[in-house]
Amino acid sequence: DTAVSQTPKYLVTQMGNDKSIKCEQNLGHDTMYWYKQDSKKFLKIMFSYNNKELIINETVPNRFSPKSPDKAHLNLHINSLELGDSAVYFCASSPGQGFSDTQYFGPGTRLTVL
Amino acid sequence: GNSVTQMEGPVTLSEEAFLTINCTYTATGYPSLFWYVQYPGEGLQLLLKATKADDKGSNKGFEATYRKETTSFHLEKGSVQVSDSAVYFCALKKAGTALIFGKGTTLSVSS
Repeated sequence: DTAVSQTPKYLVTQMGNDKSIKCEQNLGHDTMYWYKQDSKKFLKIMFSYNNKELIINETVPNRFSPKSPDKAHLNLHINSLELGDSAVYFCASSPGQGFSDTQYFGPGTRLTVL
Repeated sequence: GNSVTQMEGPVTLSEEAFLTINCTYTATGYPSLFWYVQYPGEGLQLLLKATKADDKGSNKGFEATYRKETTSFHLEKGSVQVSDSAVYFCALKKAGTALIFGKGTTLSVSS
């Protein structure tokens, strides 16, 4: 019973393609996040949703579009993939938006764009 | 703006050595501070956290104390094991925001 799960774990695709990554949490949390980890292991927030409402939208190309069909799911769709999109994408969830709320991370999706 | 600075790695130690990984932060107000650990090929796991000044977080032999006067949250362990080899991230969080991470420190422990 994985707390935060992501599919797929690996994604290899060609430049120009469109792909989606799915995330689900069974912790009953209200808030979910997408982070990008680059090749140097640096982690940066991309988006956050609270109860299906977008609350954080960092400077990310509009080729990236998050969608939250319900508060347990947060998907990430990427259009017209570019080489620079290659990274590990992590989904996370937390009980709420409080400053002390712990975030729980999924196992990551390694995206490779050829 | 808010930011976290961690010591550059990699850190290479022998088993049973003492570990310190330095972390300092810049933030307006009073954030919570976290240490996360990432084992090879896995996601991030919370190691410990502290939510106010002078709080000490501890877990699995690791400790860190929230020092407001020095804006620091250094991670320590008295005796590291090979199984502690991983990447360690210091992070801060304020209400309504996401985690802001340091660049990560790779720890390699040999037997």
